[in-house]
Amino acid sequence: AQSVSQHNHHVILSEAASLELGCNYSYGGTVNLFWYVQYPGQHLQLLLKYFSGDPLVKGIKGFEAEFIKSKFSFNLRKPSVQWSDTAEYFCAVNAGGGSNYKLTFGKGTLLTVNP
Amino acid sequence: NAGVMQNPRHLVRRRGQEARLRCSPMKGHSHVYWYRQLPEEGLKFMVYLQKENIIDESGMPKERFSAEFPKEGPSILRIQQVVRGDSAAYFCASSENPGLYYEQYFGPGTRLTVT
Repeated sequence: AQSVSQHNHHVILSEAASLELGCNYSYGGTVNLFWYVQYPGQHLQLLLKYFSGDPLVKGIKGFEAEFIKSKFSFNLRKPSVQWSDTAEYFCAVNAGGGSNYKLTFGKGTLLTVNP
Repeated sequence: NAGVMQNPRHLVRRRGQEARLRCSPMKGHSHVYWYRQLPEEGLKFMVYLQKENIIDESGMPKERFSAEFPKEGPSILRIQQVVRGDSAAYFCASSENPGLYYEQYFGPGTRLTVT
């Protein structure tokens, strides 16, 4: 069975600091990878996704993620965070194939950005 | 994204009662997915439905849980004879077409508390 590990439960940064949130998955085959964000009081929203091609993926709001197949990782980065980035971030994996609708999520990382 | 509606947002049930959770997908979406988030866990896939059909219920507990998506009206996740372990957040998502090339849009979730 697939599983997703997010290393940090809660990250606290000051504005303008750089961000990297870790995500590792356990699945040996082809995977599709996602980062979702949940702002306070709002729904889960898709931040970015990787299916194939360039392993460096650009998302909305200046976020990017890098797929490193050899490390089974898909870390989320942003060079300079803002107070409005305060939210919970979820990494998710799909194994593709016949169940290419089924997402497995990590436990989430709460990011707090102090002004 | 705000188009996926779930109600109620919070539901309290005593052990042994029934819980009914409703999900109205975004306009034009005929594919619905239910996920459950247990405390301190990530979201986990439960079931995938199209109108009047259950496509994949591999993530549903074998007993007490059922789901439907009738021709008219919202999708319903039904939990009979609830137990404390059913306390969780239940999220619904919808998509225009199946497969993750079509984004799953999430609702705000229903938080079920079993006392």
